[in-house]
Amino acid sequence: DAGVIQSPRHEVTEMGQEVTLRCKPISGHNSLFWYRQTMMRGLELLIYFNNNVPIDDSGMPEDRFSAKMPNASFSTLKIQPSEPRDSAVYFCASSRGGGEKLFFGSGTQLSVL
Amino acid sequence: DQQVKQNSPSLSVQEGRISILNCDYTNSMFDYFLWYKKYPAEGPTFLISISSIKDKNEDGRFTVFLNKSAKHLSLHIVPSQPGDSAVYFCAASERGTYKYIFGTGTRLKVLA
Repeated sequence: DAGVIQSPRHEVTEMGQEVTLRCKPISGHNSLFWYRQTMMRGLELLIYFNNNVPIDDSGMPEDRFSAKMPNASFSTLKIQPSEPRDSAVYFCASSRGGGEKLFFGSGTQLSVL
Repeated sequence: DQQVKQNSPSLSVQEGRISILNCDYTNSMFDYFLWYKKYPAEGPTFLISISSIKDKNEDGRFTVFLNKSAKHLSLHIVPSQPGDSAVYFCAASERGTYKYIFGTGTRLKVLA
């Protein structure tokens, strides 16, 4: 079992640039979540999908953030344009759905200069 | 507005003693609670959970207690070991929503 795979592990970019984070959930899991970790807010839920459909995106900070799940094995979180305050660790997690526990990836450390 | 609160950012405990990590929540519709442990440069990993129909769940050295009237849960680690040093997050979900709201975490340091 490969677990949830995120790429890249680290991303350093300049303000104004587009950033794309990628996630491959565990095979057979039908729910996928994007979280952002900051000191002030802890693990903050951005968006979650069920069966590839976005269910709740109320945590997406603003229109600069967008997420897609074109199929059951791939999701992206895009920030365009990026700003220094977006610097954080972004986690992807998946579950079997129906309230089952989450399995997290190792995260992407994003630094926007 | 933080629906799940961990008011202690950090905690230090001697090896072999009990570690008690606390979590408070505000949403009375939450009915399932989990604790996750996170080591540096890794994703959080599941530790233990409890449903609102119970007030205690035990798994080895880890026990979670739920006080619904106080909207409070706690994680007890007995005995604490140096390998338990990590950040601990509590999370809650409302049945039917399938989304988990996490707290800000408590950094536990177990001193040898």
